[in-house]
Amino acid sequence: QVQLVESGGGVVQPGGSLRLSCAASGFTLRSFGMNWVRQAPGRGLEWVAFIRYDGSNEYYTESGKGRFTISRDNSKNILYLQMNSLRAEDTAVYYCAKDRATVVRGVYYYYMDVWGKGTTVTVSS
Amino acid sequence: AIQLTQSPSSLSASIGDRVTITCRASQDISIALAWYQQKPGKSPNLLIYDASSLASGVPSRFSGSGSGTDFTLTISSLQPEDFATYYCLQFNSYPQSFGQGTRLEL
Repeated sequence: QVQLVESGGGVVQPGGSLRLSCAASGFTLRSFGMNWVRQAPGRGLEWVAFIRYDGSNEYYTESGKGRFTISRDNSKNILYLQMNSLRAEDTAVYYCAKDRATVVRGVYYYYMDVWGKGTTVTVSS
Repeated sequence: AIQLTQSPSSLSASIGDRVTITCRASQDISIALAWYQQKPGKSPNLLIYDASSLASGVPSRFSGSGSGTDFTLTISSLQPEDFATYYCLQFNSYPQSFGQGTRLEL
């Protein structure tokens, strides 16, 4: 069955770095776009980043631009999120989520259909 | 960036009630809207995509409607397992964005 398992979370000081991983199984990672979504404690969901199935295009939330880098290794079925210059407001549970395509009036769109259980990042001194 | 406004932010209801949650987009997103359910300590679960298409395995008491800027999620007859937080997501353009959530309480 389709499964996503995040890892790499932990406690890091402000200004520090962390790399999150998301191991995919039960489907061919190279065929799907992938996302990172986060949820701060007691708050709502926030989309963070997207990478195209072949790694040729990426999008980021405004607060992540220049600090976060999404990447993938399709040969290993792993998605990554490199986070640098971390701030207290980056404290959250980070989820990876798989894209699913839909066609609306001849245009392709992509929504998130399967999510991992998340990994917790805490930025604190 | 497209903003989504959900209402209400919280809702109290009883077993068997019919409830409706609304989501308004700051600009036309066609039908590029999804709904998710999230229970405490769990990851979100897809309910509806393309504004009104029921995801696989989701009970038929859940339904979605709308297009353009105004959307609704309806639960026809609340069951005990439906008490959770619900989020809408626009996938019309990047950055994708979520509504702030609606907490459904008993």
